[in-house]
Amino acid sequence: SQQGEEDPQALSIQEGENATMNCSYKTSINNLQWYRQNSGRGLVHLILIRSNEREKHSGRLRVTLDTSKKSSSLLITASRAADTASYFCATDAKGQNFVFGPGTRLSVLP
Amino acid sequence: DAGITQSPRHKVTETGTPVTLRCHQTENHRYMYWYRQDPGHGLRLIHYSYGVKDTDKGEVSDGYSVSRSKTEDFLLTLESATSSQTSVYFCAISELGSDYGYTFGSGTRLTVV
Repeated sequence: SQQGEEDPQALSIQEGENATMNCSYKTSINNLQWYRQNSGRGLVHLILIRSNEREKHSGRLRVTLDTSKKSSSLLITASRAADTASYFCATDAKGQNFVFGPGTRLSVLP
Repeated sequence: DAGITQSPRHKVTETGTPVTLRCHQTENHRYMYWYRQDPGHGLRLIHYSYGVKDTDKGEVSDGYSVSRSKTEDFLLTLESATSSQTSVYFCAISELGSDYGYTFGSGTRLTVV
């Protein structure tokens, strides 16, 4: 079974709106990462958040981590058509390699 | 993707034939990974390497082998390709393993007919 799972599976919003994606995981972790994948391309690393951190920002991205609920969220503010992509969370059960969820497919409509 | 290249980008092969995919990095990173990506499954780890000649199995290693004779090259071999191995294969590198983000290659789309 998968360590992490994103929700929703698909999300469609208008340009300029905010997009929120969630990730839930099952076992304690050291780190959690978010990646973006444009169609036909490899994954691009967005943010890594450690288990002792609660929030991180990078440009229009904000990631939160709640270890008590075993969940994380990725917020993209003021979305653009170029943000259309699949977004994956990856978690490392303590001492293990990262395990990726099935992803959220985000469509930003102009 | 800067510093990491996969070859070939596309390959069609017949069931039962051996296939080797290559991952080459110019970043001198210690860790290298092979993943496969299938609809509904996200990325699943096949094998990984934590140094020259040091490799270990991942979640879905059956039917695959790897070799790393040089820091920069990590080869994935499908010993006898099956239709269930039709997938997109991604290589990733990392300087310090799970404490840092991975850099991914552009992928190899493999079709086994």
